Amino acid sequence: DAGVIQSPRHEVTEMGQEVTLRCKPISGHDYLFWYRQTMMRGLELLIYFNNNVPIDDSGMPEDRFSAKMPNASFSTLKIQPSEPRDSAVYFCASSLWTGGAYEQYFGPGTRLTVT
Amino acid sequence: AQTVTQSQPEMSVQEAETVTLSCTYDTSESDYYLFWYKQPPSRQMILVIRQEAYKQQNATENRFSVNFQKAAKSFSLKISDSQLGDAAMYFCAYRALQGGSEKLVFGKGTKLTVNP
Repeated sequence: DAGVIQSPRHEVTEMGQEVTLRCKPISGHDYLFWYRQTMMRGLELLIYFNNNVPIDDSGMPEDRFSAKMPNASFSTLKIQPSEPRDSAVYFCASSLWTGGAYEQYFGPGTRLTVT
Repeated sequence: AQTVTQSQPEMSVQEAETVTLSCTYDTSESDYYLFWYKQPPSRQMILVIRQEAYKQQNATENRFSVNFQKAAKSFSLKISDSQLGDAAMYFCAYRALQGGSEKLVFGKGTKLTVNP
């Protein structure tokens, strides 16, 4: 399996522009997670889906952030309009619920820079 | 809310030596899961080891082992025979069992340097 795929790997944009981050989870996984990593706040969960349905979006910072999962093999995280404080590494992770301490598999991340 | 604390921002170890990374957490629940993830410079998050809170036996994966002290809410990671490839950021993480949440709560991480 190719693992979790994220695109782009790097994104540089100007303040006010719309940014869309993409994620393809591991085939067969039923959970998908979006995390943000910054020096100040560390790794924090933004939102997660189960069977394409958003379950917990309490970590989404504000209305400028939105996430969708139109099917089991694709998810997007959109920021509109972007601001310099959104600069971070955004990770997508997927997992298959098996009960117990199952693993979340992370993608390589997208480094977003907003100037 | 659950919190995870890693009190050592940075640690260093000589190659072939042993190092222990600390992690404490705060929860009111009795059943949960704990994890250690490794993030090398490539940025990829890799699961190192996991522990179910209801298991008294400490988890072990080759050179990696944990010291799980449930009463003290402590979950330290021991790396034996350290190798250059072990150099990375290490994150401790917690996941609740009850409540149906699959959310992972991470500590701020410990940067491990391995000296040749």
